[in-house]
Amino acid sequence: GQQVMQIPQYQHVQEGEDFTTYCNSSTTLSNIQWYKQRPGGHPVFLIQLVKSGEVKKQKRLTFQFGEAKKNSSLHITATQTTDVGTYFCAGRLGSGTYKYIFGTGTRLKVLA
Amino acid sequence: GAVVSQHPSWVICKSGTSVKIECRSLDFQATTMFWYRQFPKQSLMLMATSNEGSKATYEQGVEKDKFLINHASLTLSTLTVTSAHPEDSSFYICSARTGAGANVLTFGAGSRLTVL
Repeated sequence: GQQVMQIPQYQHVQEGEDFTTYCNSSTTLSNIQWYKQRPGGHPVFLIQLVKSGEVKKQKRLTFQFGEAKKNSSLHITATQTTDVGTYFCAGRLGSGTYKYIFGTGTRLKVLA
Repeated sequence: GAVVSQHPSWVICKSGTSVKIECRSLDFQATTMFWYRQFPKQSLMLMATSNEGSKATYEQGVEKDKFLINHASLTLSTLTVTSAHPEDSSFYICSARTGAGANVLTFGAGSRLTVL
């Protein structure tokens, strides 16, 4: 079946360091979304990428969608303790469905 | 923005009993809702797609008789875990999208089920 893998599984960084999580799909995606889940919380939508090669920025966060629409990345510049949580990518498999397959997630810990 | 309310937020039940979890869209109509299951420190696994007025579509490996889904109105979907067993203990999360063209999933706060 379709799989969406994320690496790394865990990442500990010192506050102020950068962080990147990578998302790889076994199949081409219609679009990709990124979510953040704080410990004990529920996923919260961050952004959606639709076009091949698309890059979007939200303050310290930079999101990229690969040219082949099978991979994506989230980069955080100068992490802060508020960035702690698990980051999930979620890929939409086709334009005819609104099903999203969630990636395995990357848990980020930021050490003050 | 769109808000999805999920109730109860946590529930403890005895093995063999049934538990109903509600998912409501508070300020929008949700033609489609999704039910996910999340084990500790793991990803969200899609269980089923709930469509208003029609039968739910279950993902492979999910027992439809075990996890009954009803989407009787445009603002409410329910998941009933029937004859619950300890292995059904998990975090269940619903999400909703609005009408045509809306791609963003809005998640409920989740329901933590513990079966003794």
